[in-house]
Amino acid sequence: QVQLVQSGAEVKKPGASVQVSCKASGYIFTNYYMHWVRQAPGQGLEWMGIINPSGGATTYAQKFQGRFTMTRDRSTSTVYMELSSLRSEDTAVYYCARGWYGAHFFDYWGQGTLVTVSS
Amino acid sequence: EIVLTQSPGTLSLSPGERATLSCRASQSVSSSYLAWYQQKPGQAPRLLIYGASSRATGIPDRFSGSGSGTDFTLTISRLEPEDFAMYYCQQYGSSLLTFGGGTKVEIK
Repeated sequence: QVQLVQSGAEVKKPGASVQVSCKASGYIFTNYYMHWVRQAPGQGLEWMGIINPSGGATTYAQKFQGRFTMTRDRSTSTVYMELSSLRSEDTAVYYCARGWYGAHFFDYWGQGTLVTVSS
Repeated sequence: EIVLTQSPGTLSLSPGERATLSCRASQSVSSSYLAWYQQKPGQAPRLLIYGASSRATGIPDRFSGSGSGTDFTLTISRLEPEDFAMYYCQQYGSSLLTFGGGTKVEIK
C-alpha cells in the first residue's frame, strides 16, 4: 500500500533553516510527482512546490522562491524540503503529497510535520 | 493566481441531511481541473473528488461533485456522523495550484 512517512516535529529559531523528509513506499517512486503543502495553525492549505522524482526538476510557488528547496534521493525513495530564513509565520504543519498520475491533485498525503518557529 | 472562494464558511446540519458546498473561482478553471478534500482535526486531507465530478477510490457515493468554469459544488446526499469535517476545494488548471479557504460542516 502507498505510504508517505515524514520526519518528526521541529522547533527552530527565527532565521534558521529546517529540513523535512518524506519517505515513499508501496509504488514506483519515480513515476509520480511529489508536492509540499503547508497549513498554519487553524488556517487553510497552501501549496508550496512540486518535484519530479525522476529527473529532479522543481517548480516553486513564487511566494517561496529563494528560500525553499526541494530535493530527492532515488536510492531511498525520499523527498526533502528545506525552508530557510524562518520567521514566525512559517509555523505550520508541512505535508508531502503525491500527485496523481502527473495531474496536480493529491491522492496520498504524508502524516504531516509540525515546524514551530519561536525565539 | 486563481482565487477560490468557498461558501458558506460553516454549515450546521443534522445527520441524514443534505449538504451543499460551493467553490467559486476568480477565473475559469481549465478542463474542470478541480478537486475536493475532506480534513478532520489532526489528520491530513483526504481526496474525495477530482476532475470536478470523479470520485476517488473508496469514496462513498453519497459524495458527488459538479460544476464547470467558475462554479463548482460538492454535495453530500445524506450526512453520516463521520462526514462532519472541513472541506477544501483545489484547482490544478494553472501552474500555481491554489486551495479555497474551506467550509466546516458541523453538527447542528
